[in-house]
Amino acid sequence: RKEVEQDPGPFNVPEGATVAFNCTYSNSASQSFFWYRQDCRKEPKLLMSVYSSGNEDGRFTAQLNRASQYISLLIRDSKLSDSATYLCVVSSSRDGSARQLTFGSGTQLTVLP
Amino acid sequence: DAGVTQSPTHLIKTRGQQVTLRCSPKSGHDTVSWYQQALGQGPQFIFQYYEEEERQRGNFPDRFSGHQFPNYSSELNVNALLLGDSALYLCASSQGWDQPQHFGDGTRLSIL
Repeated sequence: RKEVEQDPGPFNVPEGATVAFNCTYSNSASQSFFWYRQDCRKEPKLLMSVYSSGNEDGRFTAQLNRASQYISLLIRDSKLSDSATYLCVVSSSRDGSARQLTFGSGTQLTVLP
Repeated sequence: DAGVTQSPTHLIKTRGQQVTLRCSPKSGHDTVSWYQQALGQGPQFIFQYYEEEERQRGNFPDRFSGHQFPNYSSELNVNALLLGDSALYLCASSQGWDQPQHFGDGTRLSIL
């Protein structure tokens, strides 16, 4: 079983649609959680951190459920420029002196005109 | 303000050869992590360097080694290259090991 699991998609949605991505992780000792965005043949870029209280950044809302080990990302009013692969990322530290990011395989989103 | 820079951009090698990839962290960052990203997959953690020491390592063989210099830049070395080592190699830096990581554009390595 992969440490971080995501639905690979692809998700093809029309402009203006709301789309939700889900992710589960297996390491209960994971400490920090993120969504990264990766455009084709580009580097991953931090989209937002994810907190248990839920957090919002414009059209993007992220949620963490530690009990269920579940992370979500909601994109409202999707734009053509949102087309990318969205990576669920979990951060853990073995001994409190280094941090390792574990990535899901990514969910591909295409927003259609 | 320069971000994370990696060199070279692309590299072609043959099986059995050795390769060195380089990374300069973002200004003010002192921690460097390396990741391997195969086509269609998410990046996989190779190791993290902080204060010139390897602090944590992922599930990669000893053929993968690294170094961090006093100016915080870093190198990734891979010996005895295999076809399966073909991937995008990403360097990420952070201000301290516990802070968000920012990625460079990567080095695309092809093994023939």
